[in-house]
Amino acid sequence: DIQMTQSPSSLSASVGDRVTITCRASQSISIYLHWYQQKPGKAPNLLIYAASSLQSGVPSRFSGSGSGTDFTLTVSSLQPEDFATYYCQQSYSTPYTFGQGTNLEIK
Amino acid sequence: QVQLQESGPGLVKPSQTLTLTCSVSGGSISRGSYYWSWIRQPAGKGLEWIGHIYTSGSTNYNPSLKSRVTISLDMSKNQFSLKLTSVTAADTAVYYCARGGDSGVWRQWGQGTLVTVSS
Repeated sequence: DIQMTQSPSSLSASVGDRVTITCRASQSISIYLHWYQQKPGKAPNLLIYAASSLQSGVPSRFSGSGSGTDFTLTVSSLQPEDFATYYCQQSYSTPYTFGQGTNLEIK
Repeated sequence: QVQLQESGPGLVKPSQTLTLTCSVSGGSISRGSYYWSWIRQPAGKGLEWIGHIYTSGSTNYNPSLKSRVTISLDMSKNQFSLKLTSVTAADTAVYYCARGGDSGVWRQWGQGTLVTVSS
């Protein structure tokens, strides 16, 4: 199985801050890397697919980059609704696997 | 807009079989190139892909659960189902159904249903 490791596991930030979350794969996964946002009691919501493509309807303050084994999700200017948990997921090979999540909290 | 809705018992006894159904509206499960998927999340923990069934009926399961999992399609009801046998407390989780594309991305999800394994 491909292991996905996110860092940090938790992050405190303020509205307006720029934040970056990192995801590392245990082997090269090309750009088969996707990012989801999950709020308490809700299903995950796709933000970024194929490492850097913005899902329709997602604000442009979200961006993704990377290829191979190292990827980042950046939020350029945090808004109150962005405080949530973020997961990366690889679809290079089955079993599809997720990172452990990054909990983004209000400072 | 395709919508998915999970249903099934919220409580299952240890050693029994967990059965969940995902009802799909706004589109036919027999059309297009989609992977109808199940994903679960224990309380306070991360996400685990259980498996999927393609529109053609071919399946792919997580090896960690493969011996206990069956995913099937019911075209007549526009539904797909999950069966997980010999459950234990470790199978207690919120179970999500989702629709995936060729790239393994899930754009549409159900709201999730909590299944507790307890006697």
